[in-house]
Amino acid sequence: SAVISQKPSRDICQRGTSLTIQCQVDSQVTMMFWYRQQPGQSLTLIATANQGSEATYESGFVIDKFPISRPNLTFSTLTVSNMSPEDSSIYLCSVSGSLYEQYFGPGTRLTVT
Amino acid sequence: TQLLEQSPQFLSIQEGENLTVYCNSSSVFSSLQWYRQEPGEGPVLLVTVVTGGEVKKLKRLTFQFGDARKDSSLHITAAQPGDTGLYLCAVGWGATNKLIFGTGTLLAVQP
Repeated sequence: SAVISQKPSRDICQRGTSLTIQCQVDSQVTMMFWYRQQPGQSLTLIATANQGSEATYESGFVIDKFPISRPNLTFSTLTVSNMSPEDSSIYLCSVSGSLYEQYFGPGTRLTVT
Repeated sequence: TQLLEQSPQFLSIQEGENLTVYCNSSSVFSSLQWYRQEPGEGPVLLVTVVTGGEVKKLKRLTFQFGDARKDSSLHITAAQPGDTGLYLCAVGWGATNKLIFGTGTLLAVQP
């Protein structure tokens, strides 16, 4: 397993601003993943971040809105750009283990006013 | 349409009752995971099933993978308030091992 931390744990932001979420892992991992989750609902994958290459985005998510950095094997950031109230959500990062299993950070709860 | 449909979507029961959560798909999978998520935390892996017909037990939780590897169930015996949370099934997809999650089942166990 891996221990994952995220910063900030929560934030309240104004419409039109941007927020960068940090994800730190206690071991080196190849793949990191970013998800979005409405409270009480399931997770939707935003993108896969592989160190040393551009992130791969899922349908409905674009790099201009959700730029991702992956500078090394233990760290990644997700930026939510030009925020609107529809971006209010929980954002989670995860890393893969064996057999498709993943380990998750505690999430960042974002509220956009 | 969702790749993985879970039922029920919501479940509120009394402590001591039994319950079953279902995860269904029309696709065949090589493995399937179940996660539980508590408020303010990320999902935590409960189990991975890989063989059709496989049954795994984790204390009061029993997980079954369908014979055709298209569906799975989670049965909780004598539910406790600590079982409260969001239960998610998930499958791995593609070369990057990304996970596709089910629609989720929100369980509340009242004391």
